Amino acid sequence: KQEVTQIPAALSVPEGENLVLNCSFTDSAIYNLQWFRQDPGKGLTSLLLIQSSQREQTSGRLNASLDKSSGRSTLYIAASQPGDSATYLCAVTSGSRLTFGEGTQLTVNP
Amino acid sequence: DTGVSQNPRHKITKRGQNVTFRCDPISEHNRLYWYRQTLGQGPEFLTYFQNEAQLEKSRLLSDRFSAERPKGSFSTLEIQRTEQGDSAMYLCASSLILGALEGYTFGSGTRLTVV
Repeated sequence: KQEVTQIPAALSVPEGENLVLNCSFTDSAIYNLQWFRQDPGKGLTSLLLIQSSQREQTSGRLNASLDKSSGRSTLYIAASQPGDSATYLCAVTSGSRLTFGEGTQLTVNP
Repeated sequence: DTGVSQNPRHKITKRGQNVTFRCDPISEHNRLYWYRQTLGQGPEFLTYFQNEAQLEKSRLLSDRFSAERPKGSFSTLEIQRTEQGDSAMYLCASSLILGALEGYTFGSGTRLTVV
């Protein structure tokens, strides 16, 4: 059974700081990994999708890496802004479904 | 096509009542998923459809829950005899098989409160 863990559970940083969110998964036989953002009481917004054959993806200030053999992914956020405050969820596709971690709650203070 | 649409956005119901939620996926996506999310947790898988066929159901999906996807288009999730423990956000997602190309697209969810 695939299990996804995200560290830290919560993170508070001052505006402008660069930060890294971590995700690990137990079964390396994945098809892809996807990072999502969730604002309070809202649905999920896709940030980045990394296929199993890829090592990283970038979008603006976001960069996600994937090391499938070690079962790890990181989401790097450059020059954080208060608008980045949200919960960030990592999810992997293995078998027939998407399995989520419990998320990292990020607060960026002005 | 503006993405995955879920209705209603919020539902408050009395314990013991039946509720039904609707999900309209992205039209070209052949897979549709239902997830449940409680406060402070990541979404948990409930069930998924490939076209109109329901291919997998989680143990979380008790016999009070039923999902359908007639004609392989929209889907409904019904909860019978609701309990307070059913209070959660119910999320719908659609994708091509295995989340290929574009990954999974989620709707805004239906927030259920059972009082």
